Amino acid sequence: QLQLQESGPGLVKPSETLSLTCTVSGGSISSSSYYWGWIRQPPGKGLEWIGSIYYSGSTYYNPSLKSRVTISVDTSKNQFSLKLSSVTAADTAVYYCCGQNIVVVPAQGFDPWGQGTLVTVSS
Amino acid sequence: EIVMTQSPATLSVSPGERATLSCRASQSVSSNLAWYQQKPGQAPRLLIYGASTRATGIPARFSGSGSGTEFTLTISSLQSEDFAVYYCQQYNNWPLMYTFGQGTKLEIK
Repeated sequence: QLQLQESGPGLVKPSETLSLTCTVSGGSISSSSYYWGWIRQPPGKGLEWIGSIYYSGSTYYNPSLKSRVTISVDTSKNQFSLKLSSVTAADTAVYYCCGQNIVVVPAQGFDPWGQGTLVTVSS
Repeated sequence: EIVMTQSPATLSVSPGERATLSCRASQSVSSNLAWYQQKPGQAPRLLIYGASTRATGIPARFSGSGSGTEFTLTISSLQSEDFAVYYCQQYNNWPLMYTFGQGTKLEIK
């Protein structure tokens, strides 16, 4: 069973870069069956898609964040990562990593999800 | 950008009764619509994809319907564990863009 786990600092200073890693277990990140994504949720608010990556390295970003986001994949470690630059308090959120199975019909949403990690932007 | 609007924001229903949640897209998303359930302190859980297909392990009391711009999630007989926040999500242009509704909180009446 595919499982995802986020890791990274829980506190980041304003103007710095937020860096998180998602470790995939129970399957290969190099599987052609999945896109891998990041989604965030500010405290008490809704969900926002940040971006997605395919094992080949192809990336897709939310236009509202595109100038600050980089998502990468490390197939040797079965991990993918998120970097968000120039953070402000508005970037304080729970960050989730997730997978999207692209071979099922009809096309599927995001499943599975990691448990999420809270990142606070504060000096 | 496709905007997803959920209604109502809060729905109060008694256990055992039926709950009907709505989601509207600002333009057609065909059947590329998913529903998620989120409980406090937990990650969202995929319930429905393709507008009407239940995800693995999801009880039959959850059903989805609709296509184009109007969608509905129905919970036929509410159990105590069903009280949570529900989000719809469109992925019509995946993997280029995904958007979520603002959520409907289903609370005990």
